[in-house]
Amino acid sequence: GQQLNQSPQSMFIQEGEDVSMNCTSSSIFNTWLWYKQDPGEGPVLLIALYKAGELTSNGRLTAQFGITRKDSFLNISASIPSDVGIYFCAGLSSGGSNYKLTFGKGTLLTVNP
Amino acid sequence: EAGVAQSPRYKIIEKRQSVAFWCNPISGHATLYWYQQILGQGPKLLIQFQNNGVVDDSQLPKDRFSAERLKGVDSTLKIQPAKLEDSAVYLCASSLEPVPPTGYTFGSGTRLTVV
Repeated sequence: GQQLNQSPQSMFIQEGEDVSMNCTSSSIFNTWLWYKQDPGEGPVLLIALYKAGELTSNGRLTAQFGITRKDSFLNISASIPSDVGIYFCAGLSSGGSNYKLTFGKGTLLTVNP
Repeated sequence: EAGVAQSPRYKIIEKRQSVAFWCNPISGHATLYWYQQILGQGPKLLIQFQNNGVVDDSQLPKDRFSAERLKGVDSTLKIQPAKLEDSAVYLCASSLEPVPPTGYTFGSGTRLTVV
């Protein structure tokens, strides 16, 4: 089946630093999504990317949809303690009227105040 | 708007026992998903419903897992009998349309521990 390789697995940074994480796939996706999951909660959508080459921002978050449609990255600028959590990339593929999300294994982000 | 409700939040059972999880999606959301999230991994789709019909259950271990969505609203996911490797968080999500980016809301999940 489809697999997403997300890296790094974990990051430990100081408050105020920028952080970058990325996701690659052997398959092409039509849409890339980035989610954040806090402990004990379900994932929450941060950014959705719909076109190859698209660069989208949401506050301090910036994400890009790779030209090959097989990769995406997420940047967080000027990190703050509440950025702590697990970040997941997800690729959306479709077959007819059925849509399927495939998730990466996540990047655990720890921010030291 | 109320979110996706799931219960119970936690469940501990012995292997070979049965367990059931319940999900109440956001009102009006026709599409409902059950995901399994093993520790250290991303969520994996188990089954997708459109109203009360199954759209995709290709990754559901049908020998032990079953799910239903009677009347196209609430849904239950059952495991019988449970195995140690079923220990995971079971997430329910719902959306208005079967296209996740237009409003795909997850519940807080049920954490299952099989001992």
